[in-house]
Amino acid sequence: GAGVSQSPRYKVAKRGQDVALRCDPISGHVSLFWYQQALGQGPEFLTYFQNEAQLDKSGLPSDRFFAERPEGSVSTLKIQRTQQEDSAVYLCASSLGPGTEETQYFGPGTRLLVL
Amino acid sequence: AQTVTQSQPEMSVQEAETVTLSCTYDTSENNYYLFWYKQPPSRQMILVIRQEAYKQQNATENRFSVNFQKAAKSFSLKISDSQLGDTAMYFCAFMKNTDKLIFGTGTRLQVFP
Repeated sequence: GAGVSQSPRYKVAKRGQDVALRCDPISGHVSLFWYQQALGQGPEFLTYFQNEAQLDKSGLPSDRFFAERPEGSVSTLKIQRTQQEDSAVYLCASSLGPGTEETQYFGPGTRLLVL
Repeated sequence: AQTVTQSQPEMSVQEAETVTLSCTYDTSENNYYLFWYKQPPSRQMILVIRQEAYKQQNATENRFSVNFQKAAKSFSLKISDSQLGDTAMYFCAFMKNTDKLIFGTGTRLQVFP
């Protein structure tokens, strides 16, 4: 595709609900990253995939956060039992992968508001 | 652990003037990459410029250039001939190998007519 796409763009959830955020990376990009951006802050790393393998999940804030990329393309970030502190913009980025172009290209983000 | 510091929360510049945004970082790595990203109010993060640490020559992209001082661990962004469309949040970011990006807290730039 032309760029990284994310859906939904906006999500309002009641506290305790589960949410699923989708990321479509640029076609052919091996690496996929998820970041969380709180209001007025820089993005913070959540997790990283190389193809379907989740190589780093050190940034996931709790076991309520789960990410997958089963076929090495589309990725889903799932948050269970959402809490108010989960409110943030969730950014997805992709890159060609190791040994090639390292630049990460970002999607428009999903703004999550937990009430 | 690597850290990235942007000490200027907000900056302003008049259209057509030049402005410099500061960034310092801390790392024990020798090979790494540095980036400046722009995030307009629409929130799409856009790459402005990148620098490989092993390259001594400062990167330039049209009106955007960097002053990379490896020994001082400094990576400032200069925007020449500022335009209204340059109004945005600017983030400095560090990456080792093909790892995750570590961002600074950002500088909000306002370009006035």
